[in-house]
Amino acid sequence: DGGITQSPKYLFRKEGQNVTLSCEQNLNHDAMYWYRQDPGQGLRLIYYSQIVNDFQKGDIAEGYSVSREKKESFPLTVTSAQKNPTAFYLCASSISGLAISGNEQFFGPGTRLTVL
Amino acid sequence: AQSVTQPDIHITVSEGASLELRCNYSYGATPYLFWYVQSPGQGLQLLLKYFSGDTLVQGIKGFEAEFKRSQSSFNLRKPSVHWSDAAEYFCAVPLSGGYNKLIFGAGTRLAVHP
Repeated sequence: DGGITQSPKYLFRKEGQNVTLSCEQNLNHDAMYWYRQDPGQGLRLIYYSQIVNDFQKGDIAEGYSVSREKKESFPLTVTSAQKNPTAFYLCASSISGLAISGNEQFFGPGTRLTVL
Repeated sequence: AQSVTQPDIHITVSEGASLELRCNYSYGATPYLFWYVQSPGQGLQLLLKYFSGDTLVQGIKGFEAEFKRSQSSFNLRKPSVHWSDAAEYFCAVPLSGGYNKLIFGAGTRLAVHP
């Protein structure tokens, strides 16, 4: 089955540690996205990538980093510089990075990160 | 700045009752519009989308939405709610500029009474 997988489902981090969240898709989509979800605030875009080896900052990129070395993979690293990292993180993908007809985003199941 | 507003944070309906969830947006041109649903602890699932053409769009699970340009609205409706519809619902629109970066509303949490 085609889809998006995220791992782990739950992740605990001590303050000062970097952690990496995995996102893999087998939909052959060019574009991938990372969102952060906090209660009552909807989803906010952290980073997005329109194509392999390219990525752009979203609205809340500070304290996060990404890479896009393969089409199917878009890992997110939450660094110690992120002051309030406890949140639900969602990865998404779409056929292309352009806002064109038919180009909806598909979402993974999410990773819940808790800082201890 | 572009924005998406979902005025209702929580809505409670009885099973079998009709439902309307409100969504208002600010956008320079005719936008693409989306409704997503999220069950607790899960990812988002696309319910329906509007790109162009007929302003009344049908989605999955018996949902529909109507795009009203004059009111900058894209309200989600269902004639008869089922207990399994209890979830959080998000309206979204792409940022202007041609890129597929979505702006989401804050969400409406739906509770269904038996």
